[in-house]
Amino acid sequence: EAGVAQSPRYKIIEKRQSVAFWCNPISGHATLYWYQQILGQGPKLLIQFQNNGVVDDSQLPKDRFSAERLKGVDSTLKIQPAKLEDSAVYLCASSLQQGRNEQFFGPGTRLTVL
Amino acid sequence: SQQGEEDPQALSIQEGENATMNCSYKTSINNLQWYRQNSGRGLVHLILIRSNEREKHSGRLRVTLDTSKKSSSLLITASRAADTASYFCATGPSTGTYKYIFGTGTRLKVLA
Repeated sequence: EAGVAQSPRYKIIEKRQSVAFWCNPISGHATLYWYQQILGQGPKLLIQFQNNGVVDDSQLPKDRFSAERLKGVDSTLKIQPAKLEDSAVYLCASSLQQGRNEQFFGPGTRLTVL
Repeated sequence: SQQGEEDPQALSIQEGENATMNCSYKTSINNLQWYRQNSGRGLVHLILIRSNEREKHSGRLRVTLDTSKKSSSLLITASRAADTASYFCATGPSTGTYKYIFGTGTRLKVLA
């Protein structure tokens, strides 16, 4: 079974630039999550989708971050414009259903904002 | 704010010894999960324990849950160098939400 795919694996940008991350979840998984993990901390949920609807985006900085999940499968997370404090690993995860099942994580995208 | 808080923050043991990590949380939960993260990698699911369960085993892993104390522990027996990683608990979902909240993690180092 293929795992959660993410790209790119690494990205270095200047502050105020834009960046986009892509995630392809495990086939058949209805729930998709985007987490931000700052060095030395646990993952923080940014946004959670159930199929193509948003379940929770309470911690998403909506003035600069946006995310979509087209057709309930792939998802993209965008930052525009980036700030220094956005430097982190962005993890995508998926699960069969929300709230009851284990989450499968992708390898993450390490973002460095200079 | 973080729901789960792991203790200790860091742990260093010799190969063959047991490692115990604790997770405390604040509000009621439906289930609690433990994950492992090797350096530079994504998280790997270890065990899910539901609120009506008290103990679960998986290989060398044993997880306990005490909902009255709002705490959980992860025991790794006969540790190996390959167990060196960060371990996180994830609590959720509490009533009215489906999201999991991860703790700050315990960094385990197993010395060969």
